Amino acid sequence: EAQVTQNPRYLITVTGKKLTVTCSQNMNHEYMSWYRQDPGLGLRQIYYSMNVEVTDKGDVPEGYKVSRKEKRNFPLILESPSPNQTSLYFCASSFLGQGNGYTFGSGTRLTVV
Amino acid sequence: QQPVQSPQAVILREGEDAVINCSSSKALYSVHWYRQKHGEAPVFLMILLKGGEQKGHDKISASFNEKKQQSSLYLTASQLSYSGTYFCGTENVDDMRFGAGTRLTVKP
Repeated sequence: EAQVTQNPRYLITVTGKKLTVTCSQNMNHEYMSWYRQDPGLGLRQIYYSMNVEVTDKGDVPEGYKVSRKEKRNFPLILESPSPNQTSLYFCASSFLGQGNGYTFGSGTRLTVV
Repeated sequence: QQPVQSPQAVILREGEDAVINCSSSKALYSVHWYRQKHGEAPVFLMILLKGGEQKGHDKISASFNEKKQQSSLYLTASQLSYSGTYFCGTENVDDMRFGAGTRLTVKP
Protein backbone atom coordinates (compact mmCIF):
# COMPACT_ATOMS: atom_id res chain seq x y z
CA GLU A 1 0.00 0.00 0.00
CA ALA A 2 1.31 3.43 -0.98
CA GLN A 3 1.81 5.45 2.17
CA VAL A 4 3.82 7.86 4.25
CA THR A 5 4.73 6.42 7.62
CA GLN A 6 5.48 8.66 10.57
CA ASN A 7 6.69 7.60 13.98
CA PRO A 8 5.90 8.05 16.75
CA ARG A 9 2.21 9.05 16.67
CA TYR A 10 2.41 10.62 20.13
CA LEU A 11 5.40 11.90 22.06
CA ILE A 12 5.75 13.70 25.37
CA THR A 13 9.24 14.94 26.16
CA VAL A 14 11.05 17.41 28.36
CA THR A 15 12.66 20.67 27.36
CA GLY A 16 16.12 20.22 25.90
CA LYS A 17 16.01 16.48 25.28
CA LYS A 18 16.90 15.78 21.66
CA LEU A 19 14.35 13.86 19.64
CA THR A 20 13.80 12.60 16.12
CA VAL A 21 10.51 12.07 14.32
CA THR A 22 10.87 9.65 11.44
CA CYS A 23 9.14 9.83 8.07
CA SER A 24 9.33 7.21 5.36
CA GLN A 25 7.51 6.90 2.02
CA ASN A 26 7.28 3.93 -0.35
CA MET A 27 6.16 5.74 -3.51
CA ASN A 28 9.56 6.81 -4.84
CA HIS A 29 8.59 10.46 -4.44
CA GLU A 30 11.29 13.05 -4.98
CA TYR A 31 9.66 15.74 -2.87
CA MET A 32 9.21 15.49 0.91
CA SER A 33 8.21 18.13 3.39
CA TRP A 34 7.50 18.72 7.07
CA TYR A 35 4.64 20.83 8.41
CA ARG A 36 3.44 21.84 11.81
CA GLN A 37 -0.22 22.43 12.47
CA ASP A 38 -1.40 24.78 15.17
CA PRO A 39 -4.98 25.92 15.89
CA GLY A 40 -6.03 28.79 13.65
CA LEU A 41 -2.75 28.76 11.73
CA GLY A 42 -3.23 25.78 9.46
CA LEU A 43 -0.23 23.94 8.05
CA ARG A 44 3.06 25.79 8.12
CA GLN A 45 6.07 24.42 6.32
CA ILE A 46 9.19 23.70 8.35
CA TYR A 47 11.60 22.20 5.81
CA TYR A 48 11.35 20.56 2.44
CA SER A 49 13.50 18.44 0.18
CA MET A 50 13.43 18.05 -3.59
CA ASN A 51 15.79 15.11 -3.69
CA VAL A 52 18.51 13.25 -1.84
CA GLU A 53 20.93 15.63 -0.10
CA VAL A 54 18.83 18.64 -1.17
CA THR A 55 16.97 20.39 1.64
CA ASP A 56 15.67 23.90 2.13
CA LYS A 57 13.97 26.00 4.78
CA GLY A 58 10.25 26.60 4.84
CA ASP A 59 8.44 29.29 6.75
CA VAL A 60 9.21 28.18 10.31
CA PRO A 61 12.58 26.36 10.34
CA GLU A 62 13.99 27.72 13.64
CA GLY A 63 14.72 24.98 16.14
CA TYR A 64 14.49 22.15 13.61
CA LYS A 65 16.89 20.17 11.46
CA VAL A 66 16.32 17.66 8.69
CA SER A 67 18.37 15.32 6.57
CA ARG A 68 17.73 13.44 3.32
CA LYS A 69 20.35 10.74 2.99
CA GLU A 70 18.00 8.32 1.24
CA LYS A 71 15.12 9.05 -1.09
CA ARG A 72 12.52 7.34 1.08
CA ASN A 73 13.42 8.85 4.47
CA PHE A 74 13.17 12.41 5.74
CA PRO A 75 13.60 12.61 9.53
CA LEU A 76 12.82 15.74 11.54
CA ILE A 77 15.24 16.48 14.36
CA LEU A 78 14.64 18.73 17.35
CA GLU A 79 18.04 19.12 18.98
CA SER A 80 16.81 21.08 22.00
CA PRO A 81 13.00 21.07 22.07
CA SER A 82 11.16 23.91 23.75
CA PRO A 83 7.51 24.19 24.84
CA ASN A 84 6.69 26.41 21.83
CA GLN A 85 7.41 23.41 19.62
CA THR A 86 4.43 21.60 21.09
CA SER A 87 2.34 20.95 18.01
CA LEU A 88 0.94 18.42 15.56
CA TYR A 89 3.50 17.54 12.90
CA PHE A 90 2.87 16.11 9.44
CA CYS A 91 5.24 14.73 6.88
CA ALA A 92 4.13 14.82 3.23
CA SER A 93 5.53 13.60 -0.08
CA SER A 94 4.81 13.89 -3.78
CA PHE A 95 6.33 13.58 -7.21
CA LEU A 96 7.98 16.76 -8.45
CA GLY A 97 6.18 18.88 -11.00
CA GLN A 98 2.75 20.38 -11.24
CA GLY A 99 -0.33 18.29 -11.03
CA ASN A 100 0.81 16.03 -8.21
CA GLY A 101 -1.11 15.89 -4.96
CA TYR A 102 0.58 15.41 -1.62
CA THR A 103 0.31 12.26 0.47
CA PHE A 104 0.44 12.99 4.18
CA GLY A 105 1.58 10.83 7.05
CA SER A 106 -0.73 10.16 10.00
CA GLY A 107 0.81 12.89 12.09
CA THR A 108 2.88 13.12 15.27
CA ARG A 109 1.46 14.93 18.25
CA LEU A 110 4.40 16.32 20.20
CA THR A 111 4.17 17.79 23.69
CA VAL A 112 7.24 19.46 25.20
CA VAL A 113 7.00 20.12 28.94
CA GLN B 1 2.74 34.04 2.19
CA GLN B 2 -0.18 31.86 3.12
CA PRO B 3 -3.26 31.99 0.92
CA VAL B 4 -6.35 33.43 2.55
CA GLN B 5 -9.36 31.18 2.98
CA SER B 6 -12.93 32.22 3.67
CA PRO B 7 -15.09 31.60 5.51
CA GLN B 8 -13.21 30.32 8.56
CA ALA B 9 -16.13 28.09 9.51
CA VAL B 10 -19.51 27.10 8.14
CA ILE B 11 -22.36 25.01 9.49
CA LEU B 12 -24.78 23.32 7.11
CA ARG B 13 -27.76 21.04 7.20
CA GLU B 14 -27.56 17.87 5.15
CA GLY B 15 -28.44 18.64 1.54
CA GLU B 16 -27.36 22.29 1.63
CA ASP B 17 -24.60 23.74 -0.53
CA ALA B 18 -21.41 25.53 0.47
CA VAL B 19 -18.61 27.49 -1.19
CA ILE B 20 -15.12 27.85 0.21
CA ASN B 21 -12.81 30.47 -1.25
CA CYS B 22 -9.05 30.66 -1.45
CA SER B 23 -7.05 33.65 -2.66
CA SER B 24 -3.36 34.34 -3.05
CA SER B 25 -1.29 37.47 -3.52
CA LYS B 26 1.18 35.58 -5.73
CA ALA B 27 0.96 34.21 -9.25
CA LEU B 28 0.02 30.55 -9.09
CA TYR B 29 0.80 27.44 -11.06
CA SER B 30 -1.81 25.35 -9.36
CA VAL B 31 -4.23 25.08 -6.47
CA HIS B 32 -4.71 21.95 -4.38
CA TRP B 33 -7.66 21.12 -2.14
CA TYR B 34 -7.48 18.79 0.88
CA ARG B 35 -9.92 17.64 3.53
CA GLN B 36 -8.88 16.76 7.06
CA LYS B 37 -11.11 14.85 9.45
CA HIS B 38 -10.56 15.46 13.14
CA GLY B 39 -7.45 13.68 14.37
CA GLU B 40 -6.49 12.45 10.91
CA ALA B 41 -4.10 13.44 8.15
CA PRO B 42 -5.19 15.77 5.33
CA VAL B 43 -6.42 13.85 2.29
CA PHE B 44 -5.95 15.07 -1.26
CA LEU B 45 -9.21 15.97 -3.04
CA MET B 46 -8.17 17.56 -6.32
CA ILE B 47 -5.71 19.82 -8.05
CA LEU B 48 -6.38 22.59 -10.55
CA LEU B 49 -3.68 23.73 -12.92
CA LYS B 50 -3.47 27.24 -14.34
CA GLY B 51 -5.72 27.66 -17.32
CA GLY B 52 -8.96 28.41 -15.53
CA GLU B 53 -10.20 24.85 -15.45
CA GLN B 54 -12.93 23.48 -13.31
CA LYS B 55 -12.83 20.03 -11.81
CA GLY B 56 -15.02 17.84 -9.75
CA HIS B 57 -15.83 14.42 -8.49
CA ASP B 58 -19.03 13.30 -6.93
CA LYS B 59 -20.70 16.48 -5.65
CA ILE B 60 -17.51 18.36 -4.85
CA SER B 61 -16.06 20.58 -7.54
CA ALA B 62 -13.64 23.47 -7.78
CA SER B 63 -12.68 26.31 -10.06
CA PHE B 64 -9.46 28.24 -10.52
CA ASN B 65 -9.32 31.81 -11.78
CA GLU B 66 -5.69 32.28 -12.68
CA LYS B 67 -5.96 36.02 -13.36
CA LYS B 68 -7.52 36.73 -9.98
CA GLN B 69 -5.31 34.15 -8.25
CA GLN B 70 -8.39 32.66 -6.65
CA SER B 71 -9.96 29.27 -6.33
CA SER B 72 -13.31 28.15 -5.00
CA LEU B 73 -14.45 24.76 -3.74
CA TYR B 74 -18.12 23.92 -4.23
CA LEU B 75 -19.87 21.32 -2.10
CA THR B 76 -23.30 20.45 -3.44
CA ALA B 77 -26.06 18.67 -1.55
CA SER B 78 -23.74 18.18 1.42
CA GLN B 79 -23.58 14.88 3.26
CA LEU B 80 -22.60 14.18 6.86
CA SER B 81 -19.34 12.70 5.57
CA TYR B 82 -18.32 16.09 4.18
CA SER B 83 -17.65 17.41 7.67
CA GLY B 84 -14.05 18.31 8.30
CA THR B 85 -11.55 21.07 7.72
CA TYR B 86 -10.80 22.01 4.12
CA PHE B 87 -7.44 23.41 3.15
CA CYS B 88 -6.36 24.98 -0.07
CA GLY B 89 -2.71 24.75 -1.07
CA THR B 90 -1.29 27.23 -3.54
CA GLU B 91 1.70 26.22 -5.60
CA ASN B 92 4.11 28.52 -7.39
CA VAL B 93 7.67 28.07 -8.62
CA ASP B 94 8.85 25.46 -6.17
CA ASP B 95 6.88 25.69 -2.99
CA MET B 96 3.46 25.10 -1.57
CA ARG B 97 1.63 27.17 0.99
CA PHE B 98 -1.54 26.12 2.77
CA GLY B 99 -4.39 28.28 3.95
CA ALA B 100 -5.49 28.28 7.59
CA GLY B 101 -8.43 26.05 6.76
CA THR B 102 -12.24 26.21 6.71
CA ARG B 103 -14.06 24.11 9.25
CA LEU B 104 -17.19 22.62 7.70
CA THR B 105 -19.83 21.00 9.89
CA VAL B 106 -22.76 19.19 8.33
CA LYS B 107 -25.66 18.46 10.65
CA PRO B 108 -28.55 16.04 10.11
